[in-house]
Amino acid sequence: KQEVTQIPAALSVPEGENLVLNCSFTDSAIYNLQWFRQDPGKGLTSLLLIQSSQREQTSGRLNASLDKSSGRSTLYIAASQPGDSATYLCAVEGGFKTIFGAGTRLFVKA
Amino acid sequence: SAVISQKPSRDICQRGTSLTIQCQVDSQVTMMFWYRQQPGQSLTLIATANQGSEATYESGFVIDKFPISRPNLTFSTLTVSNMSPEDSSIYLCSANSGQGVDEQFFGPGTRLTVL
Repeated sequence: KQEVTQIPAALSVPEGENLVLNCSFTDSAIYNLQWFRQDPGKGLTSLLLIQSSQREQTSGRLNASLDKSSGRSTLYIAASQPGDSATYLCAVEGGFKTIFGAGTRLFVKA
Repeated sequence: SAVISQKPSRDICQRGTSLTIQCQVDSQVTMMFWYRQQPGQSLTLIATANQGSEATYESGFVIDKFPISRPNLTFSTLTVSNMSPEDSSIYLCSANSGQGVDEQFFGPGTRLTVL
């Protein structure tokens, strides 16, 4: 049974800092891994999708990496801004099912 | 990418009643899903909505409690039946782009409070 863990559960950083969010999964037989952002009380916004054959994806200040063999992914946020404050969710797809981590709650202080 | 809308965005309901949530996608999609997000928790998959056939439910969720319809490739409904306060959650609809990448997109969610 696939389990997805995100560390840390919460993170508070000053504006401008670079930061890394971690995601680990127990079953490496995945189809893809996706990072989402969720603002309080809202739906999910897709940030980056990494297919199983890929090692990383980049979008603006965001970079996500995937190491399938070790069951890990990281989301790197460069030069963090207060607008980045949200919960970041990692989701792993395999076998027509997507399993979500519990998320990392990020607060960027101005 | 697919744009997904949900109605209602929020509702406050009385115990024992039922609520139907609608999900509309702006393009035809292969897969549609319904998730529940309880307060402070991550997302839990309720079921996969299959076009033209019965939905596929995850362990712990049953059709009598969460009947789902999917009459076509762009629309689905989830009904939360005989509600209790424990059903208070955000209910999220999602869809697979079905364009060979399988990126998943989400609606804005329906915030349900049961009194």
